[in-house]
Amino acid sequence: QKEVEQDPGPLSVPEGAIVSLNCTYSNSAFQYFMWYRQYSRKGPELLMYTYSSGNKEDGRFTAQVDKSSKYISLFIRDSQPSDSATYLCAKLDNYGQNFVFGPGTRLSVLP
Amino acid sequence: DADVTQTPRNRITKTGKRIMLECSQTKGHDRMYWYRQDPGLGLRLIYYSFDVKDINKGEISDGYSVSRQAQAKFSLSLESAIPNQTALYFCATSESGMAEAFFGQGTRLTVV
Repeated sequence: QKEVEQDPGPLSVPEGAIVSLNCTYSNSAFQYFMWYRQYSRKGPELLMYTYSSGNKEDGRFTAQVDKSSKYISLFIRDSQPSDSATYLCAKLDNYGQNFVFGPGTRLSVLP
Repeated sequence: DADVTQTPRNRITKTGKRIMLECSQTKGHDRMYWYRQDPGLGLRLIYYSFDVKDINKGEISDGYSVSRQAQAKFSLSLESAIPNQTALYFCATSESGMAEAFFGQGTRLTVV
């Protein structure tokens, strides 16, 4: 079982929709979770991070962690065509030294 | 200029050839990483280095080697390239004690 699993999509939604992206993880020695966004032909960039359970909000983006079910979610409100990208969830490995990434979900927001 | 620069951006090479991918950074970070990205498999760690004298194997190091020439430079070599190594390669940096990785633009490598 991979440490971080994610539905690869692709996911297509109309502009303005609420998007829900999800990951599950198998080990959690370090409660630090991240969402990266990767545009086509670019490197991933950190979008949000959270240290613990609960929600963290940043503009149109909300990251949610449910430790009991080992579930990580990213919600995008009022989605825009510029949100079209691949979204990768990530966590620290059990030594707190390296990053472990999910395979990414490709999102398309249609005008 | 990008904080993490990879060269070349694209490369086509033949099976059996030796190839080097280079990464340099201006962020002053001590940690550097090499990942490869394949469709459906995500980013997988090849090698990482926490300082100039520290080199560690990652999840998929077979067939690869690295050199940390300076704090700012970390190169990845394929001694004898094979088609299975066709992928998108990313260099990344981070600062010790800070859990955020900064990625280069990637190198698209094709082995024919």
